[in-house]
Amino acid sequence: NAGVTQTPKFQVLKTGQSMTLQCAQDMNHEYMSWYRQDPGMGLRLIHYSVGAGITDQGEVPNGYNVSRSTTEDFPLRLLSAAPSQTSVYFCAAVYNYGYTFGSGTRLTVV
Amino acid sequence: TQLLEQSPQFLSIQEGENLTVYCNSSSVFSSLQWYRQEPGEGPVLLVTVVTGGEVKKLKRLTFQFGDARKDSSLHITAAQPGDTGLYLCAGDPGTNAGKSTFGDGTTLTVKP
Repeated sequence: NAGVTQTPKFQVLKTGQSMTLQCAQDMNHEYMSWYRQDPGMGLRLIHYSVGAGITDQGEVPNGYNVSRSTTEDFPLRLLSAAPSQTSVYFCAAVYNYGYTFGSGTRLTVV
Repeated sequence: TQLLEQSPQFLSIQEGENLTVYCNSSSVFSSLQWYRQEPGEGPVLLVTVVTGGEVKKLKRLTFQFGDARKDSSLHITAAQPGDTGLYLCAGDPGTNAGKSTFGDGTTLTVKP
């Protein structure tokens, strides 16, 4: 089992560009989440989903969109990249209180 | 937003020493998880504690959930270099819906 797969692993964007971070899980978990991790600030919740077709905002949603058309996929879209969005992004599938994280996407916005 | 404070932020010890990491909040959580993260990887779940006062052991790691379910501790006995990493606590507000709040983490370095 792959668990949670994130692509790409690294990405450099110019300010104003848009892109989609991909996340896929093969565990059939209903709940999925996107977090960003910045030095000294831990993990902060961007968006989460409780099932296909249902998403909601987390602590830091501005500048990001999500959709959940299937149980397996939960992509995160950056609408117009800004340097403040330079971070490491983690997608996770949630089951029985515990998270299974992907290996992350390291994004740099220049 | 529920906050979780971890202490210490950094810890550097010699192999064989014992250590304790703390995770505190003013909020009540229905469950609390501990994760370990290595550079370039996502956090990996170590344990979930659910009941106030619960103690769980994982080899040399002992996890405790406070009676009031507002705090937790992680104790490592006879630390080894392989324990080096970032330790994160996370609290579930009760919905189990992917909305956990994470602490800022404790970076542990165990020197041989």
